[in-house]
Amino acid sequence: EPEVTQTPSHQVTQMGQEVILRCVPISNHLYFYWYRQILGQKVEFLVSFYNNEISEKSEIFDDQFSVERPDGSNFTLKIRSTKLEDSAMYFCASSVRDSYGYTFGSGTRLTVV
Amino acid sequence: AQSVTQLDSHVSVSEGTPVLLRCNYSSSYSPSLFWYVQHPNKGLQLLLKYTSAATLVKGINGFEAEFKKSETSFHLTKPSAHMSDAAEYFCVVPYGGSQGNLIFGKGTKLSVKP
Repeated sequence: EPEVTQTPSHQVTQMGQEVILRCVPISNHLYFYWYRQILGQKVEFLVSFYNNEISEKSEIFDDQFSVERPDGSNFTLKIRSTKLEDSAMYFCASSVRDSYGYTFGSGTRLTVV
Repeated sequence: AQSVTQLDSHVSVSEGTPVLLRCNYSSSYSPSLFWYVQHPNKGLQLLLKYTSAATLVKGINGFEAEFKKSETSFHLTKPSAHMSDAAEYFCVVPYGGSQGNLIFGKGTKLSVKP
């Protein structure tokens, strides 16, 4: 069964450092997403991406965040200058069409120290 | 705006007994609804989805859910719990009801005792 692959599974970074989380969506999917889950809290939507541009983003997705699909297979989330409160599990997802048939990756646990 | 409320943060059952995880939704029209499961250190896996075709929806691993418009509920059930069902379960609705980004409930942690 096709999978969404996320790397690394766990990343520790120092506050203020830049971090890039990587995702390989399912190959025939057209919509890509990032969600995050702070420990003990709800899973929250960050951003959706379609046709090489952001289609929607939440209030969480401020100027410190950016997304890119650099080579037609990877989908990345960059946090420019990490804060302690960015510590969370970050999930990548992809779908064939908007909000239909989502497949989530297994997540990257980001720990900012 | 769409929203979901999971009524229990933690449910504990004995192996072999029924499971009931409760979810109520708020919507101005009939939404699509999903249940996702997250096993420890794993990703989010789709258990089942309701898209107005049938009110009783069967999912993977013996789970099912019934959409009840009169009660605005979409409770998840399983007749007989298995140890491997221990996980966190999320009731989810798309932001726009049938499209848009996903809104997650707070989750219900299911524990299964031997």
